[in-house]
Amino acid sequence: DIVMTQTPSSQAVSAGEKVTMSCKSSQSLLYNENKKNYLAWYQQKPGQSPKLLIYWASTRESGVPDRFIGSGSGTDFTLTISSVQAEDLAVYYCQQYYNFPPWTFGGGTKLELK
Amino acid sequence: EVQLVESGGGLVQPGRSLKLSCAASGFTFSNYGMHWIRQAPTKGLEWVASISPSGGSTYYRDSVKGRFTISRDNAKSTLYLQMDSLRSEDTATYYCATDQFGVMDAWGQGASVTVSS
Repeated sequence: DIVMTQTPSSQAVSAGEKVTMSCKSSQSLLYNENKKNYLAWYQQKPGQSPKLLIYWASTRESGVPDRFIGSGSGTDFTLTISSVQAEDLAVYYCQQYYNFPPWTFGGGTKLELK
Repeated sequence: EVQLVESGGGLVQPGRSLKLSCAASGFTFSNYGMHWIRQAPTKGLEWVASISPSGGSTYYRDSVKGRFTISRDNAKSTLYLQMDSLRSEDTATYYCATDQFGVMDAWGQGASVTVSS
C-alpha cells in the first residue's frame, strides 16, 4: 500500500498570509507514460463533507479559487494558498490514485486561525 | 447538479448489521464508479469500498473484507453498503462519493454509524 504523509498536522495562520503544506508518498505517483502525477487534494470545512480541490497534482477543480495552487512531482507535493481567507480554515487531505486498491489519504493538515 | 444523499445510519450493537444507502441524482449514475469512505470521530479519511459502473467489480479495504458488501442498483441510481458483524472500530461517518479516474469528485453529506452496546 502507498503511505501518504502530511506535514504539518496543524498550522496557525492569519488572513492574507501565504500558506504551504506538504504531502509525501511512500512511492512515486508519477506515471511515466503520460507524465501525470496521480495525486489529489481535498478540503474539509468544519461540519462538512470533503470537497475536491485539485487533481493531477496541480489541476484545479472547476470553481476552485486560483489562490489554491498544487505543485510537486514524484513523491513530494505541496498545496499552497497564496493569500489565506477566513473561509479557507479547514482540514486539507492529499490522496493518491496511482495504485489502488486501496486508495489512500494523508492524515490531514488543519489550518487554524492565529 | 450532482447530489448524493446517504441514509441508513444509526446506533447498532457490536456483531449486528446495518445497510447504508446513497441516492444519486443530477448525473448518469450508471456511468460512474462509486466509493464509500469513512471518517472516525476526530480522525482522517479512510477508503472503505468501491464498485465499478456496472457493479461487476468490487474492492474492499482489508479490515472490512468478508464483513461489508458494496452493491448498486443502476435502475434506482442508488449505491449500498451492507455492513455485517460490526465492530466498535467501524464507528464513523460514512460518505459515498463518485469516482472520476480514481479521484473522488463529488461527496454526499455522510451517514453516522455508531457501534456500541
